[in-house]
Amino acid sequence: EVQLVQSGAEVKKPGESLKISCKGSGYSFTTYWIGWVRQMPGKGLEWMGIIYPGDSDTRYSPSFQGQVTISADKSISTAYLQWSSLKASDTAMYYCARRPIAAAGNWYFDLWGRGTLVTVSS
Amino acid sequence: QSALTQPASVSGSPGQSITISCTGTSSDVGGYNYVSWYQQHPGKAPKLMIYDVSKRPSGVSNRFSGSKSGNTASLTISGLQAEDEADYYCCSYAGSSTPYVFGTGTKVTVL
Repeated sequence: EVQLVQSGAEVKKPGESLKISCKGSGYSFTTYWIGWVRQMPGKGLEWMGIIYPGDSDTRYSPSFQGQVTISADKSISTAYLQWSSLKASDTAMYYCARRPIAAAGNWYFDLWGRGTLVTVSS
Repeated sequence: QSALTQPASVSGSPGQSITISCTGTSSDVGGYNYVSWYQQHPGKAPKLMIYDVSKRPSGVSNRFSGSKSGNTASLTISGLQAEDEADYYCCSYAGSSTPYVFGTGTKVTVL
């Protein structure tokens, strides 16, 4: 089955670090980009950034640049989203989603993970 | 990059057609034919419904259609069904440095 499997829910304290994961299965991992999307409680979708696992080319939304780090390990078909120092305002559901590679176009996400809920509270 | 503007809510009776608008600028919606639409049921992950303004992925009902005029894209749901009740988000390509901008989201209610 083609799917993106995300790591489980996390409960952290402000100031702690965190790395969540997104593992692709059932398809060639390096024929797709992996994007990350935040959804705060009761709010809409926000694009955070995207990485091409083939060469780790990464783009960030200006809103999230410097706040998070996106990485990938193509040898295990896994992308990551990490924080060095969490804030209460990072409490949200985080989705990974894949974008087919192309010389041009394919600017959509055709498959989404189920999400990882991150709760930051003292 | 500001979020694309969508109406907060749209409603319709079963069998009717509804249209959700998505307004951006010439730097995103108006500049490229790369608008996509996503359906999200409560507690679930988003699902791709339309891409490249008007293309439907395999398995998506032909009751869903997309279009664009100038800086505004639209999603039309015809023959509204109870299962269509969900949140809908548009998304547009906005250039190579910041490729994606999402809309504010629209809650569709089936009366």
